[in-house]
Amino acid sequence: GAGVSQSPSNKVTEKGKDVELRCDPISGHTALYWYRQSLGQGLEFLIYFQGNSAPDKSGLPSDRFSAERTGGSVSTLTIQRTQQEDSAVYLCASVSTGSSYNSPLHFGNGTRLTVT
Amino acid sequence: ILNVEQSPQSLHVQEGDSTNFTCSFPSSNFYALHWYRWETAKSPEALFVMTLNGDEKKKGRISATLNTKEGYSYLYIKGSQPEDSATYLCARFSGTYKYIFGTGTRLKVLA
Repeated sequence: GAGVSQSPSNKVTEKGKDVELRCDPISGHTALYWYRQSLGQGLEFLIYFQGNSAPDKSGLPSDRFSAERTGGSVSTLTIQRTQQEDSAVYLCASVSTGSSYNSPLHFGNGTRLTVT
Repeated sequence: ILNVEQSPQSLHVQEGDSTNFTCSFPSSNFYALHWYRWETAKSPEALFVMTLNGDEKKKGRISATLNTKEGYSYLYIKGSQPEDSATYLCARFSGTYKYIFGTGTRLKVLA
């Protein structure tokens, strides 16, 4: 079946512009995560959704970052007024439920964001 | 150990060599440890999900062990091949939906 789909795969934007990253999880997966990997860093947790609600937004780096999920499916991560330090690979992952720690996360291919 | 730590950060091995990496994590309130392989330009792919102390898992030439009491897991690759070149990530389930990832071990297998 279809895996996790992310778009765009690459995005180059000028500092100060807004960007929107999209994630289409595996059908039926209620839990969805956003992570990012900056150069030389590990995977950094950004936000978690269970259904359409986000009980854990603790990883969002600043108020320029926001995310939503609609219909328990597609999620968008929006970065306003992008800064160079936002340059990273943004990964989305889904799993059947957030508490099913004995099931692996299914990742998309990521969006490589470059802010010039 | 407060965070998930992986070592070494990177290594190069010759084709045919066997190798292993370490993932260290807080041992308290343990639920699960995941191993993922992340090849360049691809998505991270799950290798193992480990939940019980003493767990040993195997997938082809790759195997992993888990010690929850002392807070570490080893990943072994037997007879490394160039296609094993990737970043290997471990992640600890924190018990609050969140997975805490290590910084990864970048493996390069030289033909």
